[in-house]
Amino acid sequence: QKEVEQDPGPLSVPEGAIVSLNCTYSNSAFQYFMWYRQYSRKGPELLMYTYSSGNKEDGRFTAQVDKSSKYISLFIRDSQPSDSATYLCAMKTSSASKIIFGSGTRLSIRP
Amino acid sequence: ETGVTQTPRHLVMGMTNKKSLKCEQHLGHNAMYWYKQSAKKPLELMFVYSLEERVENNSVPSRFSPECPNSSHLFLHLHTLQPEDSALYLCASSQVPGTGELFFGEGSRLTVL
Repeated sequence: QKEVEQDPGPLSVPEGAIVSLNCTYSNSAFQYFMWYRQYSRKGPELLMYTYSSGNKEDGRFTAQVDKSSKYISLFIRDSQPSDSATYLCAMKTSSASKIIFGSGTRLSIRP
Repeated sequence: ETGVTQTPRHLVMGMTNKKSLKCEQHLGHNAMYWYKQSAKKPLELMFVYSLEERVENNSVPSRFSPECPNSSHLFLHLHTLQPEDSALYLCASSQVPGTGELFFGEGSRLTVL
């Protein structure tokens, strides 16, 4: 079983829709949860960062962590064509320096 | 220059060539990383340097050889590569100890013929 599972997509939605991106994980010691966005021909950039459980909101983006279910989500409200990118979830434990990445979900927002 | 800069952005090499990838960070971080990104696979951590000392080598073949002369520069020396080594090679930096937030460069797209 992979440590982090992420549906690769592609996911295509119309502009203005709410997008839900998800990852599941197996290591209950993960405490730091991140979402990176990667545009075509660019490196990943950190989008959202959450410690432990709960929700975090930043503009149109909301990150949710459910540690009891080992499940994390990223919601994008009022999606825009500029949100079209690959979204990578990532996580780490408190003690380790190594970050474990999901394989990424490719998202396309249709105008 | 700001952030993390990688050169070259694109590289095509034969299996007998020797080439190097270069990474430079202008963020004042003390840790630098090489990742390999292949299609539909998770990012694979190759090497980690913290305070210019290699702290992790994830069973990477010896045809990949890293070098970290100081906290701002990182190299990946390549020799006798295989076609399956074709991928996007990403450099990243971070501050340790810390939250582990990684700052990535734009990557070097490597094609091995």
